[in-house]
Amino acid sequence: NAGVTQTPKFQVLKTGQSMTLQCAQDMNHNSMYWYRQDPGMGLRLIYYSASEGTTDKGEVPNGYNVSRLNKREFSLRLESAAPSQTSVYFCASSEPGQGWGYTFGSGTRLTVV
Amino acid sequence: KQEVTQIPAALSVPEGENLVLNCSFTDSAIYNLQWFRQDPGKGLTSLLLIQSSQREQTSGRLNASLDKSSGRSTLYIAASQPGDSATYLCAVLTGGFKTIFGAGTRLFVKA
Repeated sequence: NAGVTQTPKFQVLKTGQSMTLQCAQDMNHNSMYWYRQDPGMGLRLIYYSASEGTTDKGEVPNGYNVSRLNKREFSLRLESAAPSQTSVYFCASSEPGQGWGYTFGSGTRLTVV
Repeated sequence: KQEVTQIPAALSVPEGENLVLNCSFTDSAIYNLQWFRQDPGKGLTSLLLIQSSQREQTSGRLNASLDKSSGRSTLYIAASQPGDSATYLCAVLTGGFKTIFGAGTRLFVKA
């Protein structure tokens, strides 16, 4: 099925470890986003990529880096994980020709111990 | 700064009831408004997307309206079913790739 695919679905890290969350979309969308969702805080934008070759900070970028590998793929990296980064991470994509409506992936549930 | 508020935070209704979920926003300069459904432990599923030039959108038993001047949108669910139980979120795109999400309304439909 067409959509946004995220891997892994679940991950447990120790404090200080690093990891990369992968995201790929097959809808030919230009824009891609990384959000985190926390109880009581709602969805907050970490980074976004307006188009291939560009990335920009969102509301909560500290502790994260991103790479727009090509038009399809947008990865999120935690260089040194902290317990405060325990969250559910969602990748999304959108396209101006489709009214900028968002399509979300199923999420990655990350726990940092 | 754009703020999005959803009221009520939680709602419990008997099966078959028609219901309305509310979403308000503080800045009327929006590009679009999107309603999502989120089941526990799952991702967000898009329900309806309303462009700023539109007044409403319909899909099956769902109808969403948009009134930019008053900063309000409503999601109407007709003949609710237990399968409609989920959290419903609205999101407002204000331009510059900044989409602001509401905190959601948790809906429980009792059989």
